[in-house]
Amino acid sequence: AQKVTQAQTEISVVEKEDVTLDCVYETRDTTYYLFWYKQPPSGELVFLIRRNSFDEQNEISGRYSWNFQKSTSSFNFTITASQVVDSAVYFCALSEVGGAAGNKLTFGGGTRVLVKP
Amino acid sequence: EPEVTQTPSHQVTQMGQEVILRCVPISNHLYFYWYRQILGQKVEFLVSFYNNEISEKSEIFDDQFSVERPDGSNFTLKIRSTKLEDSAMYFCASTRDGFYGYTFGSGTRLTVV
Repeated sequence: AQKVTQAQTEISVVEKEDVTLDCVYETRDTTYYLFWYKQPPSGELVFLIRRNSFDEQNEISGRYSWNFQKSTSSFNFTITASQVVDSAVYFCALSEVGGAAGNKLTFGGGTRVLVKP
Repeated sequence: EPEVTQTPSHQVTQMGQEVILRCVPISNHLYFYWYRQILGQKVEFLVSFYNNEISEKSEIFDDQFSVERPDGSNFTLKIRSTKLEDSAMYFCASTRDGFYGYTFGSGTRLTVV
């Protein structure tokens, strides 16, 4: 069975600090997808990134960057120069390929990020 | 950008009542899902739906729950007899092929009193 662990439940930083969110996953499949979602206080789930298991290239998008390391089953997320608007809960999720039609996402427990001015 | 639309945004219901949560997935998507998030907890998979039938369901999705795609656009989740522990945020999601464009709606907060 697949599992996603986000060991950090809450991180508090001061604006402009960098913050790194850890995500460790377990899966028996060799082909899978990893996701990060942001959940602001308003409650919706905002898609940030999807990465497939064959693409271990790190990615940068503006102030966001992701470090995928298959050897350690980790898909970490860094916010550079954090801003108050980054305050939210961030979820890492995993989807296996080859399951039943319409692959479900398995979410981690989330990390609450609080950015103070 | 295409959106998944959920209505209502908030519903309060009495224990034992039936509720129907509604979703309009993105129009060219073929796979539909319901997820649940109890306050302060993680998001949990309930059910996936493809080709007019349930393709997978979790142990949470018991006989009290049902899903339907009554027409070409709506996707509904019915809870037959609500319990206090059904209070949660319910998210609908859709994807084109099971992975790409995995988009969530803004959720329906269900409160059972």
